[in-house]
Amino acid sequence: AQSVTQPDIHITVSEGASLELRCNYSYGATPYLFWYVQSPGQGLQLLLKYFSGDTLVQGIKGFEAEFKRSQSSFNLRKPSVHWSDAAEYFCAVGPGNAGNMLTFGGGTRLMVKP
Amino acid sequence: DAGVIQSPRHEVTEMGQEVTLRCKPISGHNSLFWYRQTMMRGLELLIYFNNNVPIDDSGMPEDRFSAKMPNASFSTLKIQPSEPRDSAVYFCASSFSTGQYNEQFFGPGTRLTVL
Repeated sequence: AQSVTQPDIHITVSEGASLELRCNYSYGATPYLFWYVQSPGQGLQLLLKYFSGDTLVQGIKGFEAEFKRSQSSFNLRKPSVHWSDAAEYFCAVGPGNAGNMLTFGGGTRLMVKP
Repeated sequence: DAGVIQSPRHEVTEMGQEVTLRCKPISGHNSLFWYRQTMMRGLELLIYFNNNVPIDDSGMPEDRFSAKMPNASFSTLKIQPSEPRDSAVYFCASSFSTGQYNEQFFGPGTRLTVL
């Protein structure tokens, strides 16, 4: 069965500092990997996704993520955090074949200090 | 495009009452998902429809929960009878499935409180 672990429940960074959110997955085949962001009171919005090819993927809002097969990781990064990035971030894994079901990690809540 | 529409946005009810949550997917999407989000369990997939047919309902907690999709533009999630432990935010999401993964678009959610 597939699973996703986000080791950090809460992270606080200063505005302008760099950010890395960790995600580790378990899946038997090549996974599809995703990062979603959830602002307070809102639904989830897709930040970026990895299917194949270049292991460094760019997303919206200046985010990027790197797929590392050897480490079963798909960490999310941003070079300079803005106060508006404060939200909850979810990593998810989906099957690498036809199918749309996702398994989500527990989420990481990001707080940004002025 | 109005996105995925869910109603009501907030629902407060008493234990034992029937609750019906509604979802209108994005026009043209053929897959629909119901999720539940709680602090304790995170985001859980309850049921997944493709072309109005339930494909996987293994996440539905128990017989008190039922979901229907009578047509491509409407789905309901019903809880009868409701219990306090059903309090959560319920999300509906839709996508257009082409045989590969396609992005799921989430609605704003329904916050359910069962007293």
